[in-house]
Amino acid sequence: GAGVSQSPSNKVTEKGKDVELRCDPISGHTALYWYRQSLGQGLEFLIYFQGNSAPDKSGLPSDRFSAERTGGSVSTLTIQRTQQEDSAVYLCASSLQSLSNQPQHFGDGTRLSIL
Amino acid sequence: QQQVKQSPQSLIVQKGGISIINCAYENTAFDYFPWYQQFPGKGPALLIAIRPDVSEKKEGRFTISFNKSAKQFSLHIMDSQPGDSATYFCAARRMDSSYKLIFGSGTRLLVRP
Repeated sequence: GAGVSQSPSNKVTEKGKDVELRCDPISGHTALYWYRQSLGQGLEFLIYFQGNSAPDKSGLPSDRFSAERTGGSVSTLTIQRTQQEDSAVYLCASSLQSLSNQPQHFGDGTRLSIL
Repeated sequence: QQQVKQSPQSLIVQKGGISIINCAYENTAFDYFPWYQQFPGKGPALLIAIRPDVSEKKEGRFTISFNKSAKQFSLHIMDSQPGDSATYFCAARRMDSSYKLIFGSGTRLLVRP
């Protein structure tokens, strides 16, 4: 597709369940980012991938959060044993390279609601 | 630790007026300052961006003013239109290996017809 694609667009789950969020970046984009947007707040960085490796995981809030990227393309963000404070919109962005003058393009996000 | 502070939180402007949103950053380890526009249910879309060696950049009705010494930058929307009603985020990109973006808290703009 032409843009960053995220699925599902909405996810409602019970506290304690595991969830997987998927991101398909723009074809050819080697850099991939996950951000979290809580209600009425700005975006908070979670993790950065360059190719399949994640050199910056500094934003992951706890060890319940993990992410992987395969084939230099699709990425999955997994949240284990979800808590109510995990409720937010999870946004994925990609860029051609993590270098100057390469803007980050965002998907429309996954809205996660923990009951 | 909030490294990018954005104001105001919300803004109401009449059609045809000028919308001004301000941001300030707290350290100098940033090399690129984009503004994003976000409509409800959508992801942020890049609007305009500036590098710190430039004091002003204009694209159509949108202008970024940058003051490196004051560590401040602002977005001006000239001739504001109802279609500009959205949430605007300023951001600063870290000069490290990840080039991650640090975002302000956002400004909800409403342009009245």
